Amino acid sequence: DAKTTQPPSMDCAEGRAANLPCNHSTISGNEYVYWYRQIHSQGPQYIIHGLKNNETNEMASLIITEDRKSSTLILPHATLRDTAVYYCIVSLSGSARQLTFGSGTQLTVLP
Amino acid sequence: EPEVTQTPSHQVTQMGQEVILRCVPISNHLYFYWYRQILGQKVEFLVSFYNNEISEKSEIFDDQFSVERPDGSNFTLKIRSTKLEDSAMYFCASSEVPGQGRPEAFFGQGTRLTVV
Repeated sequence: DAKTTQPPSMDCAEGRAANLPCNHSTISGNEYVYWYRQIHSQGPQYIIHGLKNNETNEMASLIITEDRKSSTLILPHATLRDTAVYYCIVSLSGSARQLTFGSGTQLTVLP
Repeated sequence: EPEVTQTPSHQVTQMGQEVILRCVPISNHLYFYWYRQILGQKVEFLVSFYNNEISEKSEIFDDQFSVERPDGSNFTLKIRSTKLEDSAMYFCASSEVPGQGRPEAFFGQGTRLTVV
C-alpha cells in the first residue's frame, strides 16, 4: 500500500471548517483513499473514501487532487465531538487488503 | 445503525494464561478482522477471516493466536499463553465482501486486555 503523510496535529475553532491534508504521492491507479477517525481510543470509525472524484457524505467531503497525489478531508462545521485522530489510508478496494493505520492527525476542536 | 459488539470491555489476565476475546460482527457481513493497539501506538492489523478460514495475517499473528467463528454470530480471538507485551486494546471489525458491497470496515469499541 502507498504511504501517506499527515501533519501530526491541527486545531480548529468550533463551527468552522476543518481541512485535514494528506499526501500520498506513491498512490497507484487502483488504490482508494480512505479516511477513518478514532475518538479517544474508541474503535476507528469510517468517514469517507474516494478514488479520483470528489466525494461528499453526511459526515464530510473528500477532495482529491487531479494527479491523486494528495487529498483533503473537510469537516464543514466542526464540533467539539469531532476532536479525534484522523487517519488517511490508501488501500485497494475490492480485495482482502487490511487497513494500514499511520500516526494520523490529532484534530482538536476548540470552543 | 448496526454495530460490532465486543466482550468483555476489559480483561485482566495473568501472564501465561489463555484468553478469548469475543466479537459479534454486523449480521450481514462476511469478512471479519482483528486489530490491536498498544497504548500510545498505532492501530495494527492482526488477521482477516472469510469463509471460515484466515484470509490474511500479519507477522504479529503468530502461533499463540487463533481465530474462530464457533457459530453463526460470534467471532473470537484466542491468545494461548499471554505475555506482558500482549497488553493492548483489541478491536474487532467486519465488512461486506470487498468488491461486492460497501468496502468500509466497521469497528467495535474494543477489549482492553491487561496482562499482569
